[in-house]
Amino acid sequence: GAVVSQHPSWVICKSGTSVKIECRSLDFQATTMFWYRQFPKQSLMLMATSNEGSKATYEQGVEKDKFLINHASLTLSTLTVTSAHPEDSSFYICSASGGDHYEQYFGPGTRLTVT
Amino acid sequence: LAKTTQPISMDSYEGQEVNITCSHNNIATNDYITWYQQFPSQGPRFIIQGYKTKVTNEVASLFIPADRKSSTLSLPRVSLSDTAVYYCLVGGNNAGNMLTFGGGTRLMVKP
Repeated sequence: GAVVSQHPSWVICKSGTSVKIECRSLDFQATTMFWYRQFPKQSLMLMATSNEGSKATYEQGVEKDKFLINHASLTLSTLTVTSAHPEDSSFYICSASGGDHYEQYFGPGTRLTVT
Repeated sequence: LAKTTQPISMDSYEGQEVNITCSHNNIATNDYITWYQQFPSQGPRFIIQGYKTKVTNEVASLFIPADRKSSTLSLPRVSLSDTAVYYCLVGGNNAGNMLTFGGGTRLMVKP
């Protein structure tokens, strides 16, 4: 149990376009989902925390108008990178917790490349 | 949130036991200690979690001294496939508790 999926696993987009990444908890209800970003050879950096049905809480330095997060259901959260630029190229990872699962379970990640 | 300190990297050989120690001097009373494993281009994978003393599961053991200011992840008889980055995190064991990742320990297992 406690499986989290992400889609797509990788995406290439042109500068100035928007990209949506989905995070799904497949076998449990995720009351809270987290979005992380990871640059090569670096640790994960928390971007935002989202609770189902409410607005996401963003970490300092993360632009909420650029990284739109929606957590409309207990099994789905989306991260939209708006007007992407090459510096947004990174590995984006979501995690989820809820129900009987107090620890966070992570998705497989989405590699975004902006050209 | 309690900050953690781990060695940046470690080398080992196949079949050896590997112990990775994490320091968390300002751990709070209600904080749990959790270890994750991450392979390149994959999300972190939960390994083990504990509060005090010793916890063991099918893949690892976690040793936590009485003062809880440090913890040691023990991997018995590592194989090449255990080459990964290992992260130690501390935080409250509440649903939705966010995690702050430190630098992690890059373990290289050699043949």
